[in-house]
Amino acid sequence: GAGVSQTPSNKVTEKGKYVELRCDPISGHTALYWYRQSLGQGPEFLIYFQGTGAADDSGLPNDRFFAVRPEGSVSTLKIQRTERGDSAVYLCASSFGGAGELFFGEGSRLTVL
Amino acid sequence: GENVEQHPSTLSVQEGDSAVIKCTYSDSASNYFPWYKQELGKRPQLIIDIRSNVGEKKDQRIAVTLNKTAKHFSLHITETQPEDSAVYFCAASITGTASKLTFGTGTRLQVTL
Repeated sequence: GAGVSQTPSNKVTEKGKYVELRCDPISGHTALYWYRQSLGQGPEFLIYFQGTGAADDSGLPNDRFFAVRPEGSVSTLKIQRTERGDSAVYLCASSFGGAGELFFGEGSRLTVL
Repeated sequence: GENVEQHPSTLSVQEGDSAVIKCTYSDSASNYFPWYKQELGKRPQLIIDIRSNVGEKKDQRIAVTLNKTAKHFSLHITETQPEDSAVYFCAASITGTASKLTFGTGTRLQVTL
């Protein structure tokens, strides 16, 4: 596609619910990243995929967060038992290989009530 | 882990003036330093980057300088224009690539007429 696509653009949920956020990277990009951006802050690294495998998941805050990329393209970030502190914009980015420039999506804004 | 501090948090300049944003990092192993521009409600976009084997890099009105000894790097924008108004983020990585970035907290630049 023309750019990194993220859905939904906005998600409002209640505390304790399960949420899935989807990222469709630029076609041909092998590397995919998830970042989280809270209001007034810089993006915070969550996880990095190279192909289908998670090359680095050290940024996932706890075991309620999980991400998959089963076919090496689309990725889904899954958040269980959401908490109000999970409210943020979740940014996805992709690059051609692990050394290429990052191209970010517009983000998914998650609000947990 | 790496810690990146960014100053100032807000910066207002008149059109045509220069703007300077400064960042410091904590991990002396960091070797890749990109700068991103994020307009309101939009995705972060890479504007310039520098690697640790270079002290300065310039691209038209934008330049970045790096002082490895002091562990700080700066973004310089000359002849500012209203379209330069945005939030700017510095970042650092120890991998030599953008595969795992630690971002600063951002600088909101306002260019006034």
